[in-house]
Amino acid sequence: GQNIDQPTEMTATEGAIVQINCTYQTSGFNGLFWYQQHAGEAPTFLSYNVLDGLEEKGRFSSFLSRSKGYSYLLLKELQMKDSASYLCARGGGNKLTFGTGTQLKVEL
Amino acid sequence: DTGVSQNPRHKITKRGQNVTFRCDPISEHNRLYWYRQTLGQGPEFLTYFQNEAQLEKSRLLSDRFSAERPKGSFSTLEIQRTEQGDSAMYLCASSPIEGGYTFGSGTRLTVV
Repeated sequence: GQNIDQPTEMTATEGAIVQINCTYQTSGFNGLFWYQQHAGEAPTFLSYNVLDGLEEKGRFSSFLSRSKGYSYLLLKELQMKDSASYLCARGGGNKLTFGTGTQLKVEL
Repeated sequence: DTGVSQNPRHKITKRGQNVTFRCDPISEHNRLYWYRQTLGQGPEFLTYFQNEAQLEKSRLLSDRFSAERPKGSFSTLEIQRTEQGDSAMYLCASSPIEGGYTFGSGTRLTVV
């Protein structure tokens, strides 16, 4: 199967750091994507990992361990506008399979 | 090119009616995907095209659903005899052969 597991919701404080974890089935794996989705809007691309290690892009970083079927998205210096759903998506078989998303709430 | 365009943005229809949605992908992208998303869930794969060929369909795509991409450019998704369970956001995305998706803004369908 291609089960993708991520926490349903998280809460963090403005200015802090938050890590959103994702685990997935490793068979047929072809890359791990993270998307951000604000309520009522389409998902927007954040990051892509195909090799093990950390990819940094501004305030957002994403990590992948292929042997463990594990990824995380790290958000630094949280801002109120970062309140959104964060979708982990596994590439494989010419399509992306999405998790249910982690609803992040950033509080003052 | 301003990205992936979907029309209409919203559609309200009565149960039993047919509806058709349109997606215009990024022009240089070979692949086009349709996903469905309900509240609190991630997008679920429906079907995908490479150029004009429909290469994969999900089991979610019942015989009431049909998708086309006749010239390898825009695509349409038709739902016949709509049911209340079809109410969802229908997302279109395009991508190059290797790379991530760019999503359109979606069509929100409400079946009453």
